[in-house]
Amino acid sequence: GQQLNQSPQSMFIQEGEDVSMNCTSSSIFNTWLWYKQDPGEGPVLLIALYKAGELTSNGRLTAQFGITRKDSFLNISASIPSDVGIYFCAGPMDSNYQLIWGAGTKLIIKP
Amino acid sequence: DTGVSQDPRHKITKRGQNVTFRCDPISEHNRLYWYRQTLGQGPEFLTYFQNEAQLEKSRLLSDRFSAERPKGSFSTLEIQRTEQGDSAMYLCASSLVSHGGYTFGSGTRLTVV
Repeated sequence: GQQLNQSPQSMFIQEGEDVSMNCTSSSIFNTWLWYKQDPGEGPVLLIALYKAGELTSNGRLTAQFGITRKDSFLNISASIPSDVGIYFCAGPMDSNYQLIWGAGTKLIIKP
Repeated sequence: DTGVSQDPRHKITKRGQNVTFRCDPISEHNRLYWYRQTLGQGPEFLTYFQNEAQLEKSRLLSDRFSAERPKGSFSTLEIQRTEQGDSAMYLCASSLVSHGGYTFGSGTRLTVV
């Protein structure tokens, strides 16, 4: 079935560093979504991308919808302690908007 | 509107018991989804409703699972004869038909002992 390949699986970074993670698919997507999930909570939508080539920012976060429509990346600039968590990419597999998900990127910030 | 609400937040039950979870979506959202998430994984789709109609069910949803959305507002997810493998976070989300981004609730963490 369809899968989203998300990398890296985890990242250990220093506070203040920039972070980059990406997601690829063997299939074309018309929407890419990036979520963050804190322990014991549901995922929170960070950025939604609807058009190939689209570059969208949300504060220190920037995400891009790849031109091929088979990939997307998320950048976090100048990381801070509250950025810790698991970041997921997701995309709807059909018009019913059933989402398929990457396995997540766990972000850990070294003090 | 405070977003998507799920109740309870945590549930511990003995194997073989039935459990029921409730989800109250954002009021103007007509789509409601149930997902299940195990540790270290992304959420897995279980089922979704458009208004009161249940339009799709995953093969993950065995006959022990049933979901309802009787008036097109809140939804319930019932698991009968729970098994240890049912232990997971059960997430509810809602969205507008025309919008791709879901809003998730905080989830119900089920532990079957």
